[in-house]
Amino acid sequence: EAQVTQNPRYLITVTGKKLTVTCSQNMNHEYMSWYRQDPGLGLRQIYYSMNVEVTDKGDVPEGYKVSRKEKRNFPLILESPSPNQTSLYFCASLNVAGGVRDTQYFGPGTRLTVL
Amino acid sequence: GENVEQHPSTLSVQEGDSAVIKCTYSDSASNYFPWYKQELGKRPQLIIDIRSNVGEKKDQRIAVTLNKTAKHFSLHITETQPEDSAVYFCAAPTFMYSGGGADGLTFGKGTHLIIQP
Repeated sequence: EAQVTQNPRYLITVTGKKLTVTCSQNMNHEYMSWYRQDPGLGLRQIYYSMNVEVTDKGDVPEGYKVSRKEKRNFPLILESPSPNQTSLYFCASLNVAGGVRDTQYFGPGTRLTVL
Repeated sequence: GENVEQHPSTLSVQEGDSAVIKCTYSDSASNYFPWYKQELGKRPQLIIDIRSNVGEKKDQRIAVTLNKTAKHFSLHITETQPEDSAVYFCAAPTFMYSGGGADGLTFGKGTHLIIQP
């Protein structure tokens, strides 16, 4: 079954304690992306990756890091989380090969609370 | 980069009536326009999409129209049912690099559709 998985699904942490949210896809997609969703602001892109070792900033990258060492994994790293990073996070993957747009698949979401 | 505006932010309709959600985009190079439905507590899921070589696409009670000249596209839901209640997002491709291919999607801020019984 084609899917994007994220872990953890829920996380409560404290300011400054480093955390990583994992994302994995089994569709061999080149493109992966992280979004945060906040009330009234929709889905805002944090970082994206066009392929292994290729990452770039989205609209709201401050306070986040990513890495793409393998095609299937795209972890989101918060080195020093702050309360304004409390949000619902979605990972997504998309096949962009040949310039043809394919369905963007979303992970189930990670609800993060930073105290 | 791409700018996607979506209206209205909230839409309440009587069950059985039609609902229309509109989006505008800024980049004339955009050629693919998906719509996502997000039910409470769940992930966004693609419900319909349209490519720039057609003006309209239908799938049962859902249709999407595209006007490339005016740079706007709309989602139409007919004979609305309670299970249509959700947040709907439109999106358009993001072109980060000049001359390059699309490298992501820019989303509208979403429309909360409420179906009144």
